[in-house]
Parts: sequence; structure tokens; C-alpha cells
Amino acid sequence: SQTIHQWPATLVQPVGSPLSLECTVEGTSNPNLYWYRQAAGRGLQLLFYSVGIGQISSEVPQNLSASRPQDRQFILSSKKLLLSDSGFYLCAWSPGANTGELFFGEGSRLTVL
Amino acid sequence: AQKITQTQPGMFVQEKEAVTLDCTYDTSDQSYGLFWYKQPSSGEMIFLIYQGSYDEQNATEGRYSLNFQKARKSANLVISASQLGDSAMYFCAMRDLNQFYFGTGTSLTVIP
Repeated sequence: SQTIHQWPATLVQPVGSPLSLECTVEGTSNPNLYWYRQAAGRGLQLLFYSVGIGQISSEVPQNLSASRPQDRQFILSSKKLLLSDSGFYLCAWSPGANTGELFFGEGSRLTVL
Repeated sequence: AQKITQTQPGMFVQEKEAVTLDCTYDTSDQSYGLFWYKQPSSGEMIFLIYQGSYDEQNATEGRYSLNFQKARKSANLVISASQLGDSAMYFCAMRDLNQFYFGTGTSLTVIP
């Protein structure tokens, strides 16, 4: 069966520090991968999605970036965090275009101080 | 433009009663999918129900049903016989090719 894991689950970072959130999917190949951010009490904002290795689409211009170095690995990064980057980050995968639902990881709660 | 609209920020329902959570969507595509997710306070996103744009019958999953009105572009979630454990945020979402768009959510509180 397919599983998705993301880590770390919780982190507190100072403003200006770097960020790296990692997500891996097991039990499937060539998934579509997604990073969403959810601000406190708000909906989900799509940040990045990827349909293949090295293919990243950015939905919102900001100081975050994403990379997909392997088929089932998706990484969210920042060189310098802002206070506004605080939130709940969710990694997700789907089987492919117009197929299946979105399966979510456990989420990573980021607090920037 | 907003792809998914949920106009009810918060809803209350008496235990054992039914409740309808509203969702409207915007797309010019013929092929798309509509989903509902539940997010309890723990933060996990739980898939509830799916409706394909070509499905003629409304989807049902246990106590959940999706009232799909294609001409109105609405995909309301109906929860029957509400339980205390149904208290959570509920998100409507639409799959459009490779992208999934989410609404702002509805916070449902079930009152004993």
C-alpha cells in the first residue's frame, strides 16, 4: 500500500534562518507531488506541485522553493525565513492527471520567531 | 479568480441531525473531480467523498453524501445523523488536471 511521510513534524525557527521540509512517498511510482500551506484557521494554499523529477510548478511567488531530486521525494526549502512563513505545511500526492484523490502527509507545523 | 467557494465559515448542528455544507466551484473544463476532506484539530486531512464530473449519480459514503448539481456548479456535502466526532473543519476541493484547489473551509461543531 502507498504511504506518505513528511518531516519534521514541528519546528521553531528564527527569522532569517534556512528551512528544509522533506516528503517521501512509498508504494507508487511517478506520483504527482504537492506542497500546501495552511495559515492558522485558514484554507489550503497550493505552493508547488510536480509531475515528474526536476519538474516544479510554482503557484505563489515567495521566498520558498521546491525540488524533486528523486521520483518519490519532494523538498520544500527557504534560504531565509520570514515571520509570514509560519503555518502548517502539508505534502500530498496523487496518482496522476485527472486520476484519484489527494493523499496527505501528517503535516509540519512551522513557527518563525 | 476563486475556484472553490465555501460561504459558511462556521456551522452548528445538533447531534443526530443532518447538516449540509455548501460548496460552489468554477471551471470551464468538462472533466474534473470534486472532493471533500475533513480536518480534525490534529491537522490531518481525511478524504471523505469523491464526485466525478461525468458521474450522473450523487456519490455516497456511509453517512456522507455529495449533492452534485452540475448546472449550478455546486457540490454540497450532506452529513446525516451527526456525531460528536464530526466536529472539525471541512474542505471542498476540485481537481483540475494536475492541480487541486481548496476552499477556505467550514468549521462544523456538533452540539450534544
